[in-house]
Amino acid sequence: TAGITQAPTSQILAAGRSMTLRCTQDMRHNAMYWYRQDLGLGLRLIHYSNTAGTTGKGEVPDGYSVSRANTDDFPLTLASAVPSQTSVYFCASSAGLEYNEQFFGPGTRLTVL
Amino acid sequence: GQNIDQPTEMTATEGAIVQINCTYQTSGFNGLFWYQQHAGEAPTFLSYNVLDGLEEKGRFSSFLSRSKGYSYLLLKELQMKDSASYLCAVIGDYKLSFGAGTTVTVRA
Repeated sequence: TAGITQAPTSQILAAGRSMTLRCTQDMRHNAMYWYRQDLGLGLRLIHYSNTAGTTGKGEVPDGYSVSRANTDDFPLTLASAVPSQTSVYFCASSAGLEYNEQFFGPGTRLTVL
Repeated sequence: GQNIDQPTEMTATEGAIVQINCTYQTSGFNGLFWYQQHAGEAPTFLSYNVLDGLEEKGRFSSFLSRSKGYSYLLLKELQMKDSASYLCAVIGDYKLSFGAGTTVTVRA
């Protein structure tokens, strides 16, 4: 079982360009999440989805958008990247709401120049 | 929102015991998680506490006191592979927030 996968593994992006980070899970989990992790700040929630067709804003949503067309996929889009979006991005999923154990993908390391 | 505090770094010797403390302030407490994260890897689940008391799972134990807004993760019989970052995460008002993490270095 793959669990939860992310693509790409890493990316260097020019400022102003757009980019979509992909996330797919095969555990049939209802809830999915996008976090960014920066040194000294820990994991911060960007957006989440409790079930297919619904999304919500987390702690740091500005500059990011998400969609949840089906249960398995939860892409994160940066419409116009800025250097402050340089970070490691983790996708996660859980069976239900946040009080269920979250399973994390391997992460995407994004550098915006 | 939540305020979550944990020490930045701890160092211990192989075979020893280390206790990582986590204090939090939150509204609508729904539970507390501990995750382990090795450098360059994804976080992995260690424990979940929602009631006061100690939860033991092999070499790792987690304690919660809701009235004090306090938890600790106890790592016993430390091994070199336990060198990692340990993340305290609190659910408040059904939102999960993470602390910045405690980096534990195990020395031979």
